[in-house]
Amino acid sequence: EAGVAQSPRYKIIEKRQSVAFWCNPISGHATLYWYQQILGQGPKLLIQFQNNGVVDDSQLPKDRFSAERLKGVDSTLKIQPAKLEDSAVYLCASSLGPLGTGVETQYFGPGTRLLVL
Amino acid sequence: AQSVTQLDSQVPVFEEAPVELRCNYSSSVSVYLFWYVQYPNQGLQLLLKYLSGSTLVKGINGFEAEFNKSQTSFHLRKPSVHISDTAEYFCAVSETGAGSYQLTFGKGTKLSVIP
Repeated sequence: EAGVAQSPRYKIIEKRQSVAFWCNPISGHATLYWYQQILGQGPKLLIQFQNNGVVDDSQLPKDRFSAERLKGVDSTLKIQPAKLEDSAVYLCASSLGPLGTGVETQYFGPGTRLLVL
Repeated sequence: AQSVTQLDSQVPVFEEAPVELRCNYSSSVSVYLFWYVQYPNQGLQLLLKYLSGSTLVKGINGFEAEFNKSQTSFHLRKPSVHISDTAEYFCAVSETGAGSYQLTFGKGTKLSVIP
């Protein structure tokens, strides 16, 4: 079974530029998560999708971050414009779902390492 | 809201020695608990999880953890570590009945196995 795919693996940009990350979850997984992992910290949830709807984006800095999952499969996370403090690893995870059927194990992709100069 | 505290940021241990990585959580409701491992430049891999039932949970690679509700702890243990266990370990919690099953992670513990 293929795991969660993410691209690119690494990205270096200058502040005020824009960047986009792509995630393809495990086939059949209804729930998709984006996390931000700053160096030395644990992952922090940015946004959670159930199929193509947003479940929680309370920790997403909406003035610069956006995410979509149009067809309920793959997803993109965009930052525009980027700031120095956005340097982090962006992790995508997926779980079987749907909500309410019990705890679902989250499976993580390899992450995209972003450096903002 | 839930929170997780991993008491040790770094743990060095000799190869074949036992190890315990400590995790305490805070929540006003019942929780599910997880341990994930992250190897360099890789994503997180689930080691084990506690949902209900037996408080002693066994996971992959010889790891186990014990849920202690009274002490709000979920410490990870391995009786004999190997060089390949060198990685960062994250404890995480989600609240039962919350509907979204969001994970809150601790800051991680870096395990260094010394040959």
